Amino acid sequence: AQTVTQSQPEMSVQEAETVTLSCTYDTSESNYYLFWYKQPPSRQMILVIRQEAYKQQNATENRFSVNFQKAAKSFSLKISDSQLGDTAMYFCAFMSLGDDKIIFGKGTRLHILP
Amino acid sequence: DSGVTQTPKHLITATGQRVTLRCSPRSGDLSVYWYQQSLDQGLQFLIQYYNGEERAKGNILERFSAQQFPDLHSELNLSSLELGDSALYFCASRRGRNTGELFFGEGSRLTVL
Repeated sequence: AQTVTQSQPEMSVQEAETVTLSCTYDTSESNYYLFWYKQPPSRQMILVIRQEAYKQQNATENRFSVNFQKAAKSFSLKISDSQLGDTAMYFCAFMSLGDDKIIFGKGTRLHILP
Repeated sequence: DSGVTQTPKHLITATGQRVTLRCSPRSGDLSVYWYQQSLDQGLQFLIQYYNGEERAKGNILERFSAQQFPDLHSELNLSSLELGDSALYFCASRRGRNTGELFFGEGSRLTVL
């Protein structure tokens, strides 16, 4: 069974700094998707970024980028120029193309300090 | 607004009772997922439907059941409720079986007293 591990339960950084959230996963499949979702205090789940495993190029969305290391089964999220509004719980998620399940990690609570 | 609608937003009930949570997916989405999020915890996958059929099952208790109707809306039924069932229940949808990301509703917060 696939698993997703987020080893950092909680992190704090100063506003405008860069922060990296870690995620590792375990799978025997070669085709899959990876996602980062953000859950602010409102509890709404918001997609931050997605990565297709067959793409070697790391995905980027404005201040958010990933470092996807397929061989190492690592998928970290980098937030540049962090803003107060980035304060949230961040979840890493795995979806295989052969299985309809989408599995989430336990999350990293990120605090952006003024 | 994700386009996924969940009702009710909040629900308070007593132990032993039964409740039904409802989800309307985004227009055109055929897959519906249900997740449970207990206080400050991650999302536990419960069950998934695709075009009316159950496709995947996660850690769903026998006291819980779900279905997806011909109009593609879905309902999650929780019975013989226990205190530990208090949680935020999310519904999410996506277009196909295994394509694209999930779009989440705002969740139904269930409190069991």
